[in-house]
Amino acid sequence: EAQVTQNPRYLITVTGKKLTVTCSQNMNHEYMSWYRQDPGLGLRQIYYSMNVEVTDKGDVPEGYKVSRKEKRNFPLILESPSPNQTSLYFCASSLYPAGLYEQYFGPGTRLTVT
Amino acid sequence: AQKITQTQPGMFVQEKEAVTLDCTYDTSDPSYGLFWYKQPSSGEMIFLIYQGSYDQQNATEGRYSLNFQKARKSANLVISASQLGDSAMYFCAMGQGAQKLVFGQGTRLTINP
Repeated sequence: EAQVTQNPRYLITVTGKKLTVTCSQNMNHEYMSWYRQDPGLGLRQIYYSMNVEVTDKGDVPEGYKVSRKEKRNFPLILESPSPNQTSLYFCASSLYPAGLYEQYFGPGTRLTVT
Repeated sequence: AQKITQTQPGMFVQEKEAVTLDCTYDTSDPSYGLFWYKQPSSGEMIFLIYQGSYDQQNATEGRYSLNFQKARKSANLVISASQLGDSAMYFCAMGQGAQKLVFGQGTRLTINP
């Protein structure tokens, strides 16, 4: 089954404790992105990747890191999480440029930072 | 800069009625794509429909159609014969260039029996 998977689905952590949210897709997609969703703000892009070893900042990259060492994986790293990073996070992938083609979304990761 | 505006925070519609969800956008780029996604209470994002800026005809997918008015920069979603299962949050999004997708704030649609 074609899908984007994220782990964990739910995470409660404390300020400053490094964490990684994994994202994996099995569709051989070139493009992958991370978004955060906050009430009243819709989804905002954090980082995106056009291919292996090619990543770039989205609209809200502060406090996040990403890497793309393999085509299928695109982990999101929070080196020192803060309460303002409490949010719902989505990973997405698409075969062609994300701006012009449907993106496939993962199920979401709900992160709470206390 | 790109911008998407959804002016209806919430809408209430009777079952079986048609509903229009508004979306306006702002861009100076001639090439762009417009998307609608549905987010039910379970949280996943479900792709509904896509319209390219150069497409001559309005996109349709089953009960969903996109009313694309390029000169007015609007891309409203029309759902015909609404069902209880259509109750969800709906997001309009605009894609421009290779990587960027910008979302509106969303409209929460509630279908009443």
